[in-house]
Amino acid sequence: GIQVEQSPPDLILQEGANSTLRCNFSDSVNNLQWFHQNPWGQLINLFYIPSGTKQNGRLSATTVATERYSLLYISSSQTTDSGVYFCAVNQAGTALIFGKGTTLSVSS
Amino acid sequence: GAVVSQHPSWVICKSGTSVKIECRSLDFQATTMFWYRQFPKQSLMLMATSNEGSKATYEQGVEKDKFLINHASLTLSTLTVTSAHPEDSSFYICSAGQPGQVKYEQYFGPGTRLTVT
Repeated sequence: GIQVEQSPPDLILQEGANSTLRCNFSDSVNNLQWFHQNPWGQLINLFYIPSGTKQNGRLSATTVATERYSLLYISSSQTTDSGVYFCAVNQAGTALIFGKGTTLSVSS
Repeated sequence: GAVVSQHPSWVICKSGTSVKIECRSLDFQATTMFWYRQFPKQSLMLMATSNEGSKATYEQGVEKDKFLINHASLTLSTLTVTSAHPEDSSFYICSAGQPGQVKYEQYFGPGTRLTVT
């Protein structure tokens, strides 16, 4: 099956700093999504981005499907950005396969 | 975006009892839903694929007789943990999408935290 690797596993930032999270996947995919899991466990959809670049406020993401990786950028980080960020991929009609996540801690 | 709900949000039960968790797509029809399990500090692991009107497909290592899945309508899938034991304590999350759409984005429920005492 498809393998999804995320890096770094842990990231500690001061408020206001920028960061880049990476997701590598082992095979071609139809779908790639980035999620933020809040302290209550809810998965928040950040981006649906099988290819190209998208931006939403301080967050942006880029997927280079031909090279099998995606990047999530967080600018001017805030304490509320803390949590676990997951990348997940799938092929047509199948379940999403998740990476192990990046745990982000932002301190004031 | 599409909304997926789960009920209950948390449940505590005694060892040996059964617990049913509901997953509903509120504003769209989902012929397929997925069930995941997440242990503390770990990622989401796929348990099974729930297909409306047919038997669920279970991932390797998931006991189908223990985790009963019923997808009786286009908006409801249920997961029943039978004869629960403490090792079944976990966070259970379902997801659904809209197959047939060009953009097959998956939406996740808020999860159900199960504690077996």
